Amino acid sequence: AQRVTQPEKLLSVFKGAPVELKCNYSYSGSPELFWYVQYSRQRLQLLLRHISRESIKGFTADLNKGETSFHLKKPFAQEEDSAMYYCALRGGADGLTFGKGTHLIIQP
Amino acid sequence: KAGVTQTPRYLIKTRGQQVTLSCSPISGHRSVSWYQQTPGQGLQFLFEYFSETQRNKGNFPGRFSGRQFSNSRSEMNVSTLELGDSALYLCASSPLRGRVYEQYFGPGTRLTVT
Repeated sequence: AQRVTQPEKLLSVFKGAPVELKCNYSYSGSPELFWYVQYSRQRLQLLLRHISRESIKGFTADLNKGETSFHLKKPFAQEEDSAMYYCALRGGADGLTFGKGTHLIIQP
Repeated sequence: KAGVTQTPRYLIKTRGQQVTLSCSPISGHRSVSWYQQTPGQGLQFLFEYFSETQRNKGNFPGRFSGRQFSNSRSEMNVSTLELGDSALYLCASSPLRGRVYEQYFGPGTRLTVT
């Protein structure tokens, strides 16, 4: 069975501080990992995926197969980063398995 | 391009009733996936439709079903509603099957079962 764990339901950091949202997964094969974001009153949208290895809105995430982690990081938080963040896994041809989400609050 | 639309946006039903939710994908998108979002369980995959055929199914009872029409619009049906079915139901469309990284989500239908 595949599982995604986001240990923090709520994360509050000050503007300009580094941000790290944790995501750990359980899957026996080679998964595809994603981060989704939902801003207030907006739709859920893809932020980034591990295959692309790109930085989106200053966020990066590295897949660590040894630690089965896919943490989301940003060196300097901005107020507009406040949102719900979901880590998701896709194993094989199955649908996405989501974590419970982390509510990120950036304080001014 | 118009985004994914879902109707109705809000729905209140009574236990034992059935409900049908509709999803219109982005023009040209042929795959539609459905998800259930609850405070307790979070976001859970229900099923994926592509070319009018169900391709994947999550771990939900048979009371949850769906279909896709030739124009790629999709409906999901929940029969014999239970209180625990109260949730936000999201659909997402993508151009092709399995292309979750090209998936666009709709605003959701909020179902309340009383």
